[in-house]
Amino acid sequence: DAGVTQSPTHLIKTRGQQVTLRCSPKSGHDTVSWYQQALGQGPQFIFQYYEEEERQRGNFPDRFSGHQFPNYSSELNVNALLLGDSALYLCASSPDRGLYNEQFFGPGTRLTVL
Amino acid sequence: SQQGEEDPQALSIQEGENATMNCSYKTSINNLQWYRQNSGRGLVHLILIRSNEREKHSGRLRVTLDTSKKSSSLLITASRAADTASYFCATAVDAGNMLTFGGGTRLMVKP
Repeated sequence: DAGVTQSPTHLIKTRGQQVTLRCSPKSGHDTVSWYQQALGQGPQFIFQYYEEEERQRGNFPDRFSGHQFPNYSSELNVNALLLGDSALYLCASSPDRGLYNEQFFGPGTRLTVL
Repeated sequence: SQQGEEDPQALSIQEGENATMNCSYKTSINNLQWYRQNSGRGLVHLILIRSNEREKHSGRLRVTLDTSKKSSSLLITASRAADTASYFCATAVDAGNMLTFGGGTRLMVKP
């Protein structure tokens, strides 16, 4: 049973460019959340997708957008990249039981903006 | 902004010793979770404690939760070099799974 997978592993972009990160949830999970983790800090919640809709959103600008597909996989898009967007982007999945659910994290995508 | 604050930020101990990490948070919560992260990779879930629970054990891990003080602690007993990692507490204020993480404790266990 594959866990959460993310692609690519590493990515280098320049300021102003756009980037798309991908995530496949753990089998049986239908909820996907995205987090941004700057170096030396804890992860910060970007948004969560369930049933192809954005259900919750953290304090991130509209440059950050996402999508969830019918197979529950998800994409994170960041437009007009800034140097400060350099971070580890983590995807987490969980089943939507509406109770006390742990989240399963992928290995992350390391984004460097030059 | 980060809801949780871990203390200490860094901890260095010898193999075999116990390691205690503390977490404080600001608002009422539904549950609190502890995660481990090795070398900037993905997070691994360690343990979840519900707001109506006071203590939970899993192997060498012991977690306590004091909702009146809005604090939690993670105890790792008989530490091993392989326990070297960053440990994060994360709170969920509702059952909708959004987690708010603290800044983490970087634990080094020397062989």
